Amino acid sequence: DQQVKQNSPSLSVQEGRISILNCDYTNSMFDYFLWYKKYPAEGPTFLISISSIKDKNEDGRFTVFLNKSAKHLSLHIVPSQPGDSAVYFCAASDPGTASKLTFGTGTRLQVTL
Amino acid sequence: DAGVIQSPRHEVTEMGQEVTLRCKPISGHDYLFWYRQTMMRGLELLIYFNNNVPIDDSGMPEDRFSAKMPNASFSTLKIQPSEPRDSAVYFCASSWGPSYGYTFGSGTRLTVV
Repeated sequence: DQQVKQNSPSLSVQEGRISILNCDYTNSMFDYFLWYKKYPAEGPTFLISISSIKDKNEDGRFTVFLNKSAKHLSLHIVPSQPGDSAVYFCAASDPGTASKLTFGTGTRLQVTL
Repeated sequence: DAGVIQSPRHEVTEMGQEVTLRCKPISGHDYLFWYRQTMMRGLELLIYFNNNVPIDDSGMPEDRFSAKMPNASFSTLKIQPSEPRDSAVYFCASSWGPSYGYTFGSGTRLTVV
């Protein structure tokens, strides 16, 4: 049972435009959400996170939005750059198992020139 | 700090052979996680340790899989006997806890033929 879902396996965006990556979750106990970025032949690296007490968190070109009622979060990258081309994983944790992250299947972002 | 170190980077083995994957976490991190990445399931948690003690091994697919953490600086994931469906990238990660995000190693790409 996939508790964290990324329904778009891939996304292509032109350089300079906005990239929007989506993530849905089913476990209402999740209270902390993270995005990881992964380049080929490397491990995922932490990008940005958000607690369920917030609905937005911004870090430079990256903003994560959380809609708790819809159990949906999204990552916005503005403006997109070729170096952003990677696989992006959404992850979530709940207080009961606070040290354990549940990941989605990932979305491959391709930023074209 | 050198980060999380995994070895080997690549492993090709024949079906039925024993495979051992190794991980050295970041010094001072209390948590160690083993994940498996596949196209269908994304990043799937296999097992995690806190202070060298296994906390949750519910993700270990079968009895063929076992993991140990004999001390704070070393962990192994063993598959015996290996099968072609075990072919995947296996990641080790360490953390002080999810609020800080995980630090992943570069992964071991396992191919069982």
